[in-house]
Amino acid sequence: EDKVVQSPLSLVVHEGDTVTLNCSYEVTNFRSLLWYKQEKKAPTFLFMLTSSGIEKKSGRLSSILDKKELSSILNITATQTGDSAIYLCAVTQGAQKLVFGQGTRLTINP
Amino acid sequence: DTGVSQDPRHKITKRGQNVTFRCDPISEHNRLYWYRQTLGQGPEFLTYFQNEAQLEKSRLLSDRFSAERPKGSFSTLEIQRTEQGDSAMYLCASTPGRGSYNEQFFGPGTRLTVL
Repeated sequence: EDKVVQSPLSLVVHEGDTVTLNCSYEVTNFRSLLWYKQEKKAPTFLFMLTSSGIEKKSGRLSSILDKKELSSILNITATQTGDSAIYLCAVTQGAQKLVFGQGTRLTINP
Repeated sequence: DTGVSQDPRHKITKRGQNVTFRCDPISEHNRLYWYRQTLGQGPEFLTYFQNEAQLEKSRLLSDRFSAERPKGSFSTLEIQRTEQGDSAMYLCASTPGRGSYNEQFFGPGTRLTVL
């Protein structure tokens, strides 16, 4: 069965800390891995990763895919309270439906 | 604002009633997806359309659920004889469908509460 597992499920840090969120997957016909941020509404797109070892970066956020290890990490440096959210990892397969992990609930305390 | 809209945003209904949700994707997006998200879980795939054709349905989707996209633009998701277990956020997403790698843009969702 196709599976995406995220860890940790919950993380609480202080503003200014750096965090690393993990995602591992077991899916057939893998195409790409995506990260989304979800606050109290719909998921918003962060990154799409298709090639192993190439880092994608957007401001304080960065992500990388390791196809050999079937995993990805999402890094957030110099965290801010506005980074508090649920971070979802998803994998596309075949016809591009998304298989999501449970999400990591990140809380940034001032 | 991603451009995907859903209506209604909230729906409260009694068990046994039928409900229908609407999704308007981003204009010219060929692919439209429905997901369901319960508390503490990531979204779960329900079904998807390429233009007006429904190409895949989740095995988890009971026959009380039906979806349409009659003209290849907006889509509706109907749940018949609702049960309390249907309470969830129903998310719609769209993508251009051209090429192999396209991110999905999500709408704000319809939160269903079945009493």
